[in-house]
Amino acid sequence: EAGVTQFPSHSVIEKGQTVTLRCDPISGHDNLYWYRRVMGKEIKFLLHFVKESKQDESGMPNNRFLAERTGGTYSTLKVQPAELEDSGVYFCASSLQGRGYTFGSGTRLTVV
Amino acid sequence: KQEVTQIPAALSVPEGENLVLNCSFTDSAIYNLQWFRQDPGKGLTSLLLIQSSQREQTSGRLNASLDKSSGRSTLYIAASQPGDSATYLCATPLHTDKLIFGTGTRLQVFP
Repeated sequence: EAGVTQFPSHSVIEKGQTVTLRCDPISGHDNLYWYRRVMGKEIKFLLHFVKESKQDESGMPNNRFLAERTGGTYSTLKVQPAELEDSGVYFCASSLQGRGYTFGSGTRLTVV
Repeated sequence: KQEVTQIPAALSVPEGENLVLNCSFTDSAIYNLQWFRQDPGKGLTSLLLIQSSQREQTSGRLNASLDKSSGRSTLYIAASQPGDSATYLCATPLHTDKLIFGTGTRLQVFP
């Protein structure tokens, strides 16, 4: 089966610009998650979708971050406007309930 | 609040050694525990998943054990190779399903 796909793999943007990250989960996985790792810190949860519904968005840093999951398939994470502290690696993962997680290769975001 | 700690933070060993990486968690009421590997600039690769009812899982040269009562999991790597060099992460989900990660152990195996 195809894995979790994320794009772009890298993005360099200026402070104040907008960036949209995309994640395509494994087909049939209702659960989709976004995580982030900023420099020197552990990977932290951002939010969790079950199909198209947000199950838990307690990890979203602030209202500059907007996540959507159209039709319960792929998901996008938009940062608008981007700030320097948003730099990091953004991971997407999907899972079947009660099973392990499959992660994508991540999007490395650099805000300059 | 679940906290996950990994020691050591970094480890450098010669090829061929057997290794033990440690993962501790504060809340023993876990659902499962998963070990991942992250290569530089790459995503997370799942290595082993241990359900709460299991004591260990094995895959090739890797063996992961789980002791819920003591809040610990260990990842044992037998006969280490340079290709094992990576960051190893353990993670466990909270009841809401979100994973709590440790800070990782950065492993370097030199020839």
